[in-house]
Amino acid sequence: EAGVVQSPRYKIIEKKQPVAFWCNPISGHNTLYWYLQNLGQGPELLIRYENEEAVDDSQLPKDRFSAERLKGVDSTLKIQPAELGDSAVYLCASSSGQGHGELFFGEGSRLTVL
Amino acid sequence: EDQVTQSPEALRLQEGESSSLNCSYTVSGLRGLFWYRQDPGKGPEFLFTLYSAGEEKEKERLKATLTKKESFLHITAPKPEDSATYLCAVQAGDSWGKLQFGAGTQVVVTP
Repeated sequence: EAGVVQSPRYKIIEKKQPVAFWCNPISGHNTLYWYLQNLGQGPELLIRYENEEAVDDSQLPKDRFSAERLKGVDSTLKIQPAELGDSAVYLCASSSGQGHGELFFGEGSRLTVL
Repeated sequence: EDQVTQSPEALRLQEGESSSLNCSYTVSGLRGLFWYRQDPGKGPEFLFTLYSAGEEKEKERLKATLTKKESFLHITAPKPEDSATYLCAVQAGDSWGKLQFGAGTQVVVTP
């Protein structure tokens, strides 16, 4: 069974440029998460989807970050414009049920903003 | 405010030298405590879920335990392949579906 797929794995951009990350969750998983992980820290939730609906986006900086999950499958996380402090790993995860703590993570997209 | 604190930050072990990692938490209404393993350049990988004080879970050389204020991850006779960062996360009663992670303990096991 394929795991959570993320792309790109690495992205280097200059500040003020836009960037987008894509995630394909495990087939059949209705819940999708985007987490941010800074070096030496644990992941922090940005947004959680139940099917197409964003049910928790309280930690998403909405002035520059946006996300969508069309048709309740793939998801895209966008940053526009990027700032130096956005350099981090962006992790996508999926799970099979609401509130379930067993998350399956992708390998992450490492963003470097110069 | 919910908090998850892991200690030590880093741990260096000789192969076969057993040790324990600590995860202390302050949350209102714990729904579950979770342990994940993260290898460099990879996403976290689920290990265990603990729901109530006194509960224990085992997997190979790893054993997780839970009290009302903390959880321990015991590594018995570790091997170099156990080298990783171990993350603890909690799910609180008022944040259904949201995991709050600690900063992790980086474990290095040398032959």
